[in-house]
Amino acid sequence: DQQVKQNSPSLSVQEGRISILNCDYTNSMFDYFLWYKKYPAEGPTFLISISSIKDKNEDGRFTVFLNKSAKHLSLHIVPSQPGDSAVYFCAASDRGGGSNYKLTFGKGTLLTVNP
Amino acid sequence: DVKVTQSSRYLVKRTGEKVFLECVQDMDHENMFWYRQDPGLGLRLIYFSYDVKMKEKGDIPEGYSVSREKKERFSLILESASTNQTSMYLCASSITRATNEKLFFGSGTQLSVL
Repeated sequence: DQQVKQNSPSLSVQEGRISILNCDYTNSMFDYFLWYKKYPAEGPTFLISISSIKDKNEDGRFTVFLNKSAKHLSLHIVPSQPGDSAVYFCAASDRGGGSNYKLTFGKGTLLTVNP
Repeated sequence: DVKVTQSSRYLVKRTGEKVFLECVQDMDHENMFWYRQDPGLGLRLIYFSYDVKMKEKGDIPEGYSVSREKKERFSLILESASTNQTSMYLCASSITRATNEKLFFGSGTQLSVL
């Protein structure tokens, strides 16, 4: 049972345009969400997070939006740069549910930003 | 700078061998994790540890064990390697239980079991 879904395995955008990566979740107990970025031959690195008490969090070119009623979050990258080309993982945790803050990851979306 | 070091980048082993994957963090983090990454499956948690000599099963612990004798070191053990354990293995750490979600990952070990 896949609790965190990234339905687009890949996404290709032009440099300077907006990249939108989507993530859906099924577990209504999830209350904290994160995005990680992974380059080939490197470990994932934390990018941005959002708590369920918010609907938006911004950090420079990266913004995460959360729609709790739809159980959907998205990562916006504006403007996209070639260096943003990587695999992006969506992750979620149930902080209040005694799950020891374990993360559940999606399968990832490969973003390619073309010059 | 935060550093999680995995002892091998690439490893080739034979079916039935006992395999040790080592991970060391130099940040005095309380928590350490082992994940595997497979194409189309994302990151899946194998085992984690909140303290020395403490371990908890993740989502796919079968065929694996772990050891944490010192705070900075977390070892993943494949008692008898099988071909379905061919994968990219990622070690991670986080500061405390309260900040568990912000993980610092190592560069990974690509294990091939022949």
